[in-house]
Amino acid sequence: NAGVMQNPRHLVRRRGQEARLRCSPMKGHSHVYWYRQLPEEGLKFMVYLQKENIIDESGMPKERFSAEFPKEGPSILRIQQVVRGDSAAYFCASSPLNSGKDEQFFGPGTRLTVL
Amino acid sequence: DQQVKQNSPSLSVQEGRISILNCDYTNSMFDYFLWYKKYPAEGPTFLISISSIKDKNEDGRFTVFLNKSAKHLSLHIVPSQPGDSAVYFCAASDSGGSNYKLTFGKGTLLTVNP
Repeated sequence: NAGVMQNPRHLVRRRGQEARLRCSPMKGHSHVYWYRQLPEEGLKFMVYLQKENIIDESGMPKERFSAEFPKEGPSILRIQQVVRGDSAAYFCASSPLNSGKDEQFFGPGTRLTVL
Repeated sequence: DQQVKQNSPSLSVQEGRISILNCDYTNSMFDYFLWYKKYPAEGPTFLISISSIKDKNEDGRFTVFLNKSAKHLSLHIVPSQPGDSAVYFCAASDSGGSNYKLTFGKGTLLTVNP
């Protein structure tokens, strides 16, 4: 049973380019969460999605960032016109239900470097 | 505004001894707490959790203690093993609000020396 999968594991972009980060949740999980970890910081919540719905995007910057979780395929975190401050590790997590008492299962992360 | 604080960036202990990792929180709405372990280049792995209705939860070598009045929790690992060397994150959530939104501390790097 494969865990949460993220790709690419490493992504290098120049300022102004677009970054697309993909996340495939664990089998049977329909809830996806994206977190960002800046250097020397803890993980910070960005967005919570269910299939075809954004439930909570309160942690996501209002501009340049968007997320989706289509009916088919992985969840996508999209960052347009990247800037150096977007350099971070982006982690995706999934859970089988509204995770109140159950832990979230994390993927290995995508390390984004903006040159 | 850091609602979950891990004030020790690092901790070094000898194999076989006890490791104690500490975590403080400021948001009194938090009622569920988790510890995650993270190796380099990997995602966080769930370790143990505790609900605010308890003050202790034990799982093998790992025990989490919760002191609600002090808004403090700690993770005890005994006996410590070299394979426990990793970054440990404390996280909290508010089950009455956005219970899916985990708030993490900055982590403590534990090094267990053989």
